[in-house]
Amino acid sequence: DTGVSQNPRHKITKRGQNVTFRCDPISEHNRLYWYRQTLGQGPEFLTYFQNEAQLEKSRLLSDRFSAERPKGSFSTLEIQRTEQGDSAMYLCASSRTGGGKTQYFGPGTRLLVL
Amino acid sequence: SQQGEEDPQALSIQEGENATMNCSYKTSINNLQWYRQNSGRGLVHLILIRSNEREKHSGRLRVTLDTSKKSSSLLITASRAADTASYFCATDRTGANSKLTFGKGITLSVRP
Repeated sequence: DTGVSQNPRHKITKRGQNVTFRCDPISEHNRLYWYRQTLGQGPEFLTYFQNEAQLEKSRLLSDRFSAERPKGSFSTLEIQRTEQGDSAMYLCASSRTGGGKTQYFGPGTRLLVL
Repeated sequence: SQQGEEDPQALSIQEGENATMNCSYKTSINNLQWYRQNSGRGLVHLILIRSNEREKHSGRLRVTLDTSKKSSSLLITASRAADTASYFCATDRTGANSKLTFGKGITLSVRP
């Protein structure tokens, strides 16, 4: 069990640039989640996939955000035209399908928008 | 919006003492999980308790759940300096597709 991995671990970008993050879930996990965490707060749900289908998106996910999971394995989260308010830790988690399943988190990608 | 509210917000104890952290939530849940986060890192899963369970143990951890009061507590016994971290409760609300809703967290400092 290699765990959830995320790349890059850190990203510094200038306002207005596009950024893309990648998440590789635990291999046998069907579900993949993205969360965002700002300083001093708990993570907030952004979106989730079951296999390749994106089943729910939070209202936090503006039109500038898009997530994909093309083959039901890894996922990407893209932020277009970044704003300083996008600075946060972006966390990915995965789990098996079904109720009561533990979500395992990756180390996160810390984004700083200058 | 954040469903859980942890209490206290910060806790400082001496190594060897027990640490008790509380979490309250607002809606009915399928299960409740506790996570630990070291500074600037990802979340580590500690324990999951289902809505039909009242108490669960894992090593030095003891979790209770009172669905009538919509509250949970996490007890860490015989604390160690390495337990210093932020602790979050997260609820999986009924009908919410298993997405987790987190509280703001509790900062635990264990003094050597």
